[in-house]
Amino acid sequence: AQTVTQSQPEMSVQEAETVTLSCTYDTSENNYYLFWYKQPPSRQMILVIRQEAYKQQNATENRFSVNFQKAAKSFSLKISDSQLGDTAMYFCAFMGRMDSSYKLIFGSGTRLLVRP
Amino acid sequence: SQTIHQWPATLVQPVGSPLSLECTVEGTSNPNLYWYRQAAGRGLQLLFYSVGIGQISSEVPQNLSASRPQDRQFILSSKKLLLSDSGFYLCAWSILGSNTEAFFGQGTRLTVV
Repeated sequence: AQTVTQSQPEMSVQEAETVTLSCTYDTSENNYYLFWYKQPPSRQMILVIRQEAYKQQNATENRFSVNFQKAAKSFSLKISDSQLGDTAMYFCAFMGRMDSSYKLIFGSGTRLLVRP
Repeated sequence: SQTIHQWPATLVQPVGSPLSLECTVEGTSNPNLYWYRQAAGRGLQLLFYSVGIGQISSEVPQNLSASRPQDRQFILSSKKLLLSDSGFYLCAWSILGSNTEAFFGQGTRLTVV
């Protein structure tokens, strides 16, 4: 069965510093997608970054980057130059094939607090 | 452009009453559709997903059911609500392509009293 594990329930970082959120997953698939979603207090889900498993190059989006280790099934998110607006819940997600559909499952989340 | 509508935003229902939450997608065809439940401060639990009309996969045996009567309509239902059904329900859709991602509705906060 496919699973996603986020082992850090809460993290804290000083404004302008760098923080890394961890995520591991389990799958027997070779082709899949990985995501990091942000959920602010409004509870709207916002895509932060996406990684296709067949791409070896790590995805980057401005201050956000990932360290994708396919063999280790690890997908961590690095936030550089943290801003107060980054305070939110962050969810790691896995999308893999199940029958004729793509199933999307989430980790338990990491609550990130950016301190001024 | 693609949009997703989910309603109602807030719902308070008595124990034993029925439930119907609706989600519709615009601007795309044949999407994968998902229903999630999120307890306060917790992760998203996948409840149901669907690849097409009438095709529903259930992840967790429970008091809820889902239906997809039209390509871009996904409905979450219950015949008799339990207190444990309270939570935040999110509908989402995705379609595979070069920019694969899931798009989420605004969510429904359900309180069963």
